[in-house]
Amino acid sequence: QSALTQPASVSGSPGQSITISCTGTSSDVGGYNYVSWYQQHPGKAPKLMIYEVSNRPSGVSNRFSGSKSGNTASLTISGLQAEDEADYYCSSYTSSSTLRVFGTGTKVTVL
Amino acid sequence: EVQLVESGGGLVKPGGSLRLSCAASGFTFSSYSMNWVRQAPGKGLEWVSSISSSSSYIYYADSVKGRFTISRDNAKNSLYLQMNSLRAEDTAVYYCARDFTFGEYDYWGQGTLVTVSS
Repeated sequence: QSALTQPASVSGSPGQSITISCTGTSSDVGGYNYVSWYQQHPGKAPKLMIYEVSNRPSGVSNRFSGSKSGNTASLTISGLQAEDEADYYCSSYTSSSTLRVFGTGTKVTVL
Repeated sequence: EVQLVESGGGLVKPGGSLRLSCAASGFTFSSYSMNWVRQAPGKGLEWVSSISSSSSYIYYADSVKGRFTISRDNAKNSLYLQMNSLRAEDTAVYYCARDFTFGEYDYWGQGTLVTVSS
């Protein structure tokens, strides 16, 4: 099972919006609505930001939103803030024997 | 408050063994599937293994299949990962994570570092 493909880095200025893509196949992202996104600051554990493609857990800012089209899922961060600078990983349920796969990760830089 | 606390990491020689533990509290442990996810230094997240709430279903990444064994003790609210035949490429921070839907993890522990080196 290959990792889902994400851009290595994305950057934006404070207040801007950015979008991170997560490309898989019809066996994972395109086949199921169990796509999640995680934020990870250096030295910290990952934090769930989006689940089931577009749902936000309680306590997560509504500046974070998720969507999916075909085999590609996306995470959009609007009103970019300095605290959003972190690594972001997507993840999907998959029909392979392993059942779960992560993305390659994207480093978000706030300019 | 949900808490997951990993322990058991450390330095081990190639070919050696290590057993990781994850102590859970603040929720009904026996109702949730649990997972191990690892992160090599400077690298991304890699799912390692999953176990269903009653241990009926167990899954492994191809990279650890045949070497690692996941288990749980619902009476002790604990998750385990027995790691045998360790390799340098197993060096990573190992996280335990609660699975609240199909492979979506809502709570993570702080991680425990495993270093495989001679």
